Amino acid sequence: KNQVEQSPQSLIILEGKNCTLQCNYTVSPFSNLRWYKQDTGRGPVSLTIMTFSENTKSNGRYTATLDADTKQSSLHITASQLSDSASYICVVSARGKGNNRLAFGKGNQVVVIP
Amino acid sequence: NAGVTQTPKFQVLKTGQSMTLQCAQDMNHNSMYWYRQDPGMGLRLIYYSASEGTTDKGEVPNGYNVSRLNKREFSLRLESAAPSQTSVYFCASSDFIGGTTNEKLFFGSGTQLSVL
Repeated sequence: KNQVEQSPQSLIILEGKNCTLQCNYTVSPFSNLRWYKQDTGRGPVSLTIMTFSENTKSNGRYTATLDADTKQSSLHITASQLSDSASYICVVSARGKGNNRLAFGKGNQVVVIP
Repeated sequence: NAGVTQTPKFQVLKTGQSMTLQCAQDMNHNSMYWYRQDPGMGLRLIYYSASEGTTDKGEVPNGYNVSRLNKREFSLRLESAAPSQTSVYFCASSDFIGGTTNEKLFFGSGTQLSVL
């Protein structure tokens, strides 16, 4: 079964500091990997989408990396802000499949404190 | 710029009651989806509609039915609610047109459902 594992499950960081979230997957054949941000009480919002040929993509202070050989991705948050407190979800799509075959991770819960 | 709108935001049901969750999108997307999100688990697909007039089962369809009323609207019905259906339900849409997989999913704000 295709799986997506995220670590750490949760972390607390000081405002202004950087942090890195990890995502390991076993989805095959791989098509793309997405990171979503989910604020409490809201639906997930797309941050980045990376295909097999892309190894880095940025969206403001968020930078995602992808190593398709080791099946690992990371999301780096630079100079964290209080508004970065959220769950970050890694989602992987298999090649030849549509959005009905996405594998979702359980999320990394990030809390930014002043 | 409403995007994906879900109603209601909160609902409490007794076991055996029925209800319909409504979802509408204003982005002219072809595909729509219903997910459930439970604590400690990733989002799981209940049903999806690749285009107007079609619906298909996802990973966890038992106990649910759906209707793609038109291109904008996709409803989820619980005919006889059970405590195991206590969850947060999300509707989503995308412009997926078969063969490619890079389409972004746009989610609604969710419905918190409790079945007692």
